[in-house]
Amino acid sequence: KQEVTQIPAALSVPEGENLVLNCSFTDSAIYNLQWFRQDPGKGLTSLLLIQSSQREQTSGRLNASLDKSSGRSTLYIAASQPGDSATYLCAVSTGTASKLTFGTGTRLQVTL
Amino acid sequence: DAMVIQNPRYQVTQFGKPVTLSCSQTLNHNVMYWYQQKSSQAPKLLFHYYDKDFNNEADTPDNFQSRRPNTSFCFLDIRSPGLGDAAMYLCATSRGRFGLSYEQYFGPGTRLTVT
Repeated sequence: KQEVTQIPAALSVPEGENLVLNCSFTDSAIYNLQWFRQDPGKGLTSLLLIQSSQREQTSGRLNASLDKSSGRSTLYIAASQPGDSATYLCAVSTGTASKLTFGTGTRLQVTL
Repeated sequence: DAMVIQNPRYQVTQFGKPVTLSCSQTLNHNVMYWYQQKSSQAPKLLFHYYDKDFNNEADTPDNFQSRRPNTSFCFLDIRSPGLGDAAMYLCATSRGRFGLSYEQYFGPGTRLTVT
C-alpha cells in the first residue's frame, strides 16, 4: 500500500527566505506526482505536476523535483511571500485511473 | 473558464438524515473522483468514475454512494450521516486514457457539518 509522508509538518519562515518542502513515498511505481496548495477551509489548487519520466518542473518561483527511484520529491519556493502561507500537499498517482494518494501536508507560514 | 463546481459550499444536516452533494465540470473530463478530507488530515479517495464505470475503494463505508448521470455531473449521497462523516468533500476530474496518467483538477469543496 502506497504511503506518502511530508516533512516538516509545519514551517514558519520570514519573508524573502528560500525554502524546501519534502515529500517521500514508499512505492516507486507511480505515474506522476502533484503538488497542491490548500488555503484554510478551501479546496486544492494544483501547483505542479511531474510525470514519472521527468526530473523537475518549474512554475514561477516554484520548482519541484522528483527522484522516483528513491521515492522522494522536493518543492522549492524562492523568495517567499506572506501570500505563500498555506498548506502544501503532495500526492502520487498510481493506477490507470490516476488515483491519488496524499501526504498530510506541510503548513507554511511566511511572516513579515 | 473551464472548471469544477461544487454545490453547496456548506451543508448542515442532522444525524441520520440523507444528504446529497453535487459536482459539475466543464472540462469534459471522463474521470471524476470524490475525496473525503477530515480536519488536519490528508484527502482520502472514496470512489471514482472512469467514464460510466463506478469504482469503489475497498474501505469506503456502504453509507456512501455515488451517481454519475452524465459526463458533466456527479453526486455523492450519504444515506445516514453520522457525526464521523463531518468533513470537507472534494470533487476532482481528470482525463483518462489506459496506461497514461493526467493532472487532477479540484473543485472548492463542500464542508459538511452533522448535528
